[in-house]
Amino acid sequence: DTAVSQTPKYLVTQMGNDKSIKCEQNLGHDTMYWYKQDSKKFLKIMFSYNNKELIINETVPNRFSPKSPDKAHLNLHINSLELGDSAVYFCASSQGLGSLSPLHFGNGTRLTVT
Amino acid sequence: AQSVTQPDIHITVSEGASLELRCNYSYGATPYLFWYVQSPGQGLQLLLKYFSGDTLVQGIKGFEAEFKRSQSSFNLRKPSVHWSDAAEYFCAVGSNAGNNRKLIWGLGTSLAVNP
Repeated sequence: DTAVSQTPKYLVTQMGNDKSIKCEQNLGHDTMYWYKQDSKKFLKIMFSYNNKELIINETVPNRFSPKSPDKAHLNLHINSLELGDSAVYFCASSQGLGSLSPLHFGNGTRLTVT
Repeated sequence: AQSVTQPDIHITVSEGASLELRCNYSYGATPYLFWYVQSPGQGLQLLLKYFSGDTLVQGIKGFEAEFKRSQSSFNLRKPSVHWSDAAEYFCAVGSNAGNNRKLIWGLGTSLAVNP
């Protein structure tokens, strides 16, 4: 019954590898997001998709590439992983396009790059 | 510049004590304000939001917040804290102005509860 689910929960990998994180929401929401939370708990939006269209593309390295096959799914692929990519990555969804729609978050994927 | 400030990085209270977490914002348009809670190992969950109307809003888990425009504040309160309230609390501001699609987030306040 999980509303926003992301896999895997933990991801440990070496520098230079490529990895993907998957996200699915069953809330029927139109908009999905990727957030990065660093070790100091700072939340930074990375990307947002509305009905499969990219609408927010923050200044992140182009090693990060989101993909939304349909409005219920948003994946994040990361190429050539670096130590600084270690963080918790949260997927979220909302109904509506603007910043006023409450966000529903997944439980996060803790990425550790060694 | 648009910003959200949570002045207290870390707060410790005793179980049963009252709680107030501060949030101040700087925003050019009419602000729409949110408080989210993040329990350990979990994603964020919406506690409450303020869009308009009564400046005292009630949320889940017994929390409330008061919007004070003159002070640019939206402080979160709870009369009696439970051990399960230990978590990270985030204040955020958004707007329906123009093409705004992003929330501005505070850096969070970490709440510890002593038994």
